[in-house]
Amino acid sequence: AQKITQTQPGMFVQEKEAVTLDCTYDTSDPSYGLFWYKQPSSGEMIFLIYQGSYDQQNATEGRYSLNFQKARKSANLVISASQLGDSAMYFCAMSQPGGGNKLTFGTGTQLKVEL
Amino acid sequence: NAGVTQTPKFRVLKTGQSMTLLCAQDMNHEYMYWYRQDPGMGLRLIHYSVGEGTTAKGEVPDGYNVSRLKKQNFLLGLESAAPSQTSVYFCASSSKRGPMYEQYFGPGTRLTVT
Repeated sequence: AQKITQTQPGMFVQEKEAVTLDCTYDTSDPSYGLFWYKQPSSGEMIFLIYQGSYDQQNATEGRYSLNFQKARKSANLVISASQLGDSAMYFCAMSQPGGGNKLTFGTGTQLKVEL
Repeated sequence: NAGVTQTPKFRVLKTGQSMTLLCAQDMNHEYMYWYRQDPGMGLRLIHYSVGEGTTAKGEVPDGYNVSRLKKQNFLLGLESAAPSQTSVYFCASSSKRGPMYEQYFGPGTRLTVT
């Protein structure tokens, strides 16, 4: 069975600083995808970044990068130059191709960006 | 482009009442999903569909039924609501093509069962 673990219920970061949100996963399938979603206080789920299990390079999308360490089964999200608008809940999720590409979510990390 | 829409946005039910949540997507996606979100537990998959006329159980299917009569619609039904079904419900859809199967989420439905 797949499992996603996010061990940081809450994080604080100063504006303009970088922050790393931790995510570890467990799967026996060699083919999988890792996603990060942002959920602001308004409630919608916003896709941020994706990493495939066979991708050789770490994914980047603007200020977001995914630190993928396959051997350690970790997929940490790095947000550079934090902004007040980054304050939100962040979810790590994993999918496995086939069978509907279902997502398994972690419990989330609440990030608060401070002045 | 509307993406994924959900109806209604809010609903209050009494224990034992029934209701149907409607999800619609205009992206021609093959896959659709229903999740529930409870505090401290992330999102959990209730049911999903890999195509018109197909449905399958997810992680927490008990107390819910679904139907996908049209490709663009995915309905979630509660036949006899219970307080434990108080939650925020999200619908999502994704394409089965390409290496990245990003799921697109609707805005959510906040359901309270008293």
